[in-house]
Amino acid sequence: DTAVSQTPKYLVTQMGNDKSIKCEQNLGHDTMYWYKQDSKKFLKIMFSYNNKELIINETVPNRFSPKSPDKAHLNLHINSLELGDSAVYFCASSSRQTGSGYTFGSGTRLTVV
Amino acid sequence: EDQVTQSPEALRLQEGESSSLNCSYTVSGLRGLFWYRQDPGKGPEFLFTLYSAGEEKEKERLKATLTKKESFLHITAPKPEDSATYLCAVQASGNTGKLIFGQGTTLQVKP
Repeated sequence: DTAVSQTPKYLVTQMGNDKSIKCEQNLGHDTMYWYKQDSKKFLKIMFSYNNKELIINETVPNRFSPKSPDKAHLNLHINSLELGDSAVYFCASSSRQTGSGYTFGSGTRLTVV
Repeated sequence: EDQVTQSPEALRLQEGESSSLNCSYTVSGLRGLFWYRQDPGKGPEFLFTLYSAGEEKEKERLKATLTKKESFLHITAPKPEDSATYLCAVQASGNTGKLIFGQGTTLQVKP
């Protein structure tokens, strides 16, 4: 059983398009995150939800909109894609109560052409 | 500003050649320091959490240590399968769970 699963794994799209990435966790964690990893492998937080409530919203363009229908799911919708959005996007989850380390998904490699 | 710096950026070792990776940090109250391993095309995999200066944790050939300013990941007698990128991250106290990552150290172990 995959603990944190993301779909799709690869996404190639043209500039200006709108796309979504889905994430689901079956660990019973109460907090989920979206991180962006650039070409130099630097991981930077974008958003975090705790029990469906947005708790972290870093300086991210308004074109990025997270949605959490329940505490096991966190989706990322991106409008009007730009070349600079090309990166690997990771979903992760954790338990704030236990202070455990994150469990990451396998990532979605987004390429904007 | 909370910050994490890892060194070296890349490290090449012969199998069996022990070494250490460094993670220097500045944070407004440390809640935890985390080490992850990332293989190409995969998500980071959790290794250790350290909470206070003087703490040490071990797993197979890896040992993580923590001081008030830095953490070390010691690799003893590494094998080729230890080749990966090792990421360090800190979580500040009173934080919302946010982790601040360093840029990673890419380790290559040659047979």
